[in-house]
Amino acid sequence: AQKVTQAQTEISVVEKEDVTLDCVYETRDTTYYLFWYKQPPSGELVFLIRRNSFDEQNEISGRYSWNFQKSTSSFNFTITASQVVDSAVYFCALRENSGYSTLTFGKGTMLLVSP
Amino acid sequence: EAGVAQSPRYKIIEKRQSVAFWCNPISGHATLYWYQQILGQGPKLLIQFQNNGVVDDSQLPKDRFSAERLKGVDSTLKIQPAKLEDSAVYLCASTNRAGRQETQYFGPGTRLLVL
Repeated sequence: AQKVTQAQTEISVVEKEDVTLDCVYETRDTTYYLFWYKQPPSGELVFLIRRNSFDEQNEISGRYSWNFQKSTSSFNFTITASQVVDSAVYFCALRENSGYSTLTFGKGTMLLVSP
Repeated sequence: EAGVAQSPRYKIIEKRQSVAFWCNPISGHATLYWYQQILGQGPKLLIQFQNNGVVDDSQLPKDRFSAERLKGVDSTLKIQPAKLEDSAVYLCASTNRAGRQETQYFGPGTRLLVL
């Protein structure tokens, strides 16, 4: 069965600090898809990135970067030079490619960036 | 391009009452999902539609929850009768194809409080 663990329940940083949000997943599939979403206080889940299991390249998008490591089943998310607007709950999610698979979310990490 | 629309944004009812939520997906998106997000947890899939047909409703509590998507566009999720434990945010998401690799785009959600 697929599972996503986000061990950090809440992280507090001061503006301009770098912060890494951890995501560890479990799956028996060789093909799967990983996602990160941001949920600001307004409640809407905002898509950030999708990564396919066969593509292990790390990705950078502005202040955001993602480190995908199949060897440790991790898909960590780093925000460089954090800003107050980054304050939100961040969810990591997994969907296997086979069987009766649905998108499974972790419990989320609440990030609070203070000025 | 307009995003996923949901209404109402907030609803407060008493237990044993009925409630209905409405979702309009992104134009052209054939696949529609309803999720339940309990406070402090990640979203959990309730039901998936492909056009106007149900693909997966294995996690839907069918004794009280029902959903329909009659014309393959808008969808309605109903709870009848509501219980205290149904207090949650109900999120609607859509994709333009049904594949597991497809990114789901979410609406702002409906926050339900059952007293």
